[in-house]
Amino acid sequence: AQKVTQAQTEISVVEKEDVTLDCVYETRDTTYYLFWYKQPPSGELVFLIRRNSFDEQNEISGRYSWNFQKSTSSFNFTITASQVVDSAVYFCALSSYNTDKLIFGTGTRLQVFP
Amino acid sequence: EAQVTQNPRYLITVTGKKLTVTCSQNMNHEYMSWYRQDPGLGLRQIYYSMNVEVTDKGDVPEGYKVSRKEKRNFPLILESPSPNQTSLYFCASSTRMNTEAFFGQGTRLTVV
Repeated sequence: AQKVTQAQTEISVVEKEDVTLDCVYETRDTTYYLFWYKQPPSGELVFLIRRNSFDEQNEISGRYSWNFQKSTSSFNFTITASQVVDSAVYFCALSSYNTDKLIFGTGTRLQVFP
Repeated sequence: EAQVTQNPRYLITVTGKKLTVTCSQNMNHEYMSWYRQDPGLGLRQIYYSMNVEVTDKGDVPEGYKVSRKEKRNFPLILESPSPNQTSLYFCASSTRMNTEAFFGQGTRLTVV
């Protein structure tokens, strides 16, 4: 069975703090894909990143970075120097080559206070 | 502009009254899916479609129907809505299942 666990339900930080959102996944497939999506207060879902299981390189995009570790089945997301505009619910998701489904975690609500 | 369009955005209905939520995409995507979002449960997949005339159940299909007669449209049908189907619904499309998904704006459904 496939599963995505986001154990942090809610995180609150003060602006300029760094924050890491955890994502742990379970799958028996060797070929799979991991995603992060952002849901700001306005409600839409915005794609952030996609990673396949054969690419363990960490990725950095501005203040955002992602740490993919197959050894611990984790795909963590770090925001450096957080800003109020980063306040949102963040979802981690998993799909695999042998299934047609996209499985989401329960999400982590990040609140960044000024 | 590339987009996924859902209608309506908000809907209040009564138990048992059939309803349809429409979803249309203009990106020629093959894969389309429906999700419901509930507090503490994240997004759960209801149905998905790999291509025209090909649909399959997601994790929570009970009480829902879908059809995919054209590539661009993927309506969600609730034949006899019940209060436990009160939720926020999202339609999504992507080139394939494992590529970036584009989501509609969401439909907030209340069944009383």
